[in-house]
Amino acid sequence: DGGITQSPKYLFRKEGQNVTLSCEQNLNHDAMYWYRQDPGQGLRLIYYSQIVNDFQKGDIAEGYSVSREKKESFPLTVTSAQKNPTAFYLCASSMAGALGPSGNTIYFGEGSWLTVV
Amino acid sequence: AQKITQTQPGMFVQEKEAVTLDCTYDTSDPSYGLFWYKQPSSGEMIFLIYQGSYDQQNATEGRYSLNFQKARKSANLVISASQLGDSAMYFCAMREVAGAYKYIFGTGTRLKVLA
Repeated sequence: DGGITQSPKYLFRKEGQNVTLSCEQNLNHDAMYWYRQDPGQGLRLIYYSQIVNDFQKGDIAEGYSVSREKKESFPLTVTSAQKNPTAFYLCASSMAGALGPSGNTIYFGEGSWLTVV
Repeated sequence: AQKITQTQPGMFVQEKEAVTLDCTYDTSDPSYGLFWYKQPSSGEMIFLIYQGSYDQQNATEGRYSLNFQKARKSANLVISASQLGDSAMYFCAMREVAGAYKYIFGTGTRLKVLA
């Protein structure tokens, strides 16, 4: 089945460590996104990518890095520079370009819970 | 600037009754899309319904309908015949055609369906 796979589901990070969250999609979508969600809060955009080998900062990119070497993959690295990384991370993808009949609906993975210990 | 506002942090509804979740938006782009998502306690974001700014009719998907009032810049979600499984967080989102491919989300409304 087509979809977005995030791994791991749960991740614990020690102070000063970098960790990488995996995101893979087989929907043949051009655009991919990373969002952060804090308890009881909405989604905030970290990074997004419209095409392979290109990505842009979102609203809260500091302390995070991404790569887009393949269309299907958009891993997120939470670096030691991110001072408060404990949150729920959602990866998403969509068709790029102008809104089509379905609005280029954005679809999400099941999310990854990151906790600093 | 693009903005989504959901003013109801929490809502209660009796099982089998209808409920309306409010969403207002702000954009200067004449072409945009509006979306609603459901987030159960498991965390996954489930797409419910989409409305395009040029669509003449309100969108419907099963028990979900979108009450789109363009002049008021509102896109309220109506859930008919509420079920216990509808208890979840609900997010309204928007994407403009112009500019970057960014989807902006509201802060969400937590719905609790009572038996």
